[in-house]
Amino acid sequence: DGGITQSPKYLFRKEGQNVTLSCEQNLNHDAMYWYRQDPGQGLRLIYYSQIVNDFQKGDIAEGYSVSREKKESFPLTVTSAQKNPTAFYLCASRRQSGSNQPQHFGDGTRLSIL
Amino acid sequence: GQNIDQPTEMTATEGAIVQINCTYQTSGFNGLFWYQQHAGEAPTFLSYNVLDGLEEKGRFSSFLSRSKGYSYLLLKELQMKDSASYLCAAFYNQGGKLIFGQGTELSVKP
Repeated sequence: DGGITQSPKYLFRKEGQNVTLSCEQNLNHDAMYWYRQDPGQGLRLIYYSQIVNDFQKGDIAEGYSVSREKKESFPLTVTSAQKNPTAFYLCASRRQSGSNQPQHFGDGTRLSIL
Repeated sequence: GQNIDQPTEMTATEGAIVQINCTYQTSGFNGLFWYQQHAGEAPTFLSYNVLDGLEEKGRFSSFLSRSKGYSYLLLKELQMKDSASYLCAAFYNQGGKLIFGQGTELSVKP
């Protein structure tokens, strides 16, 4: 079945450590997105990519980095510069053509600080 | 900015009807999505509106007024399983971004 796979489901980060969250999709979608969700809050956009080898900052990009070397993959690195990384991270993808295409979400990665 | 506003929480009774409102900024607006999110899970797509009017999908309907920057999600014959967070999200032309509201936490009580 086609879908979006995020891994790992749970991740723990030590002080000063960079960690990378994986997001893979086999939906042949052009655009991919990373969101952060804090308890009781909506989704805040971290980074997004509309095409391979190109990406843009969202509203809260500081302390994060991404790459888009392949259409299927959009990994997110949470760097040591992100001082409050504990959150639920959601990856989404979307067929680019036409604004009526909904975003499809992965199951999320829950990141905590050790 | 492109602020999306919706109530933080609502409570309704099983079998009743509830309307969840959402307002958004109209400049560059190109469409509005509603998602449902159960605690600890990913959001799931409910509906999409781009033209003014009501779109009906079973127990759920969504309405849009582009001139007023206003949408609502209507849930009929509420069931306990409808207890969830409902996210309003507006799509804007610039940058192809989908901007989410904070979500409305709906509690359905017996």
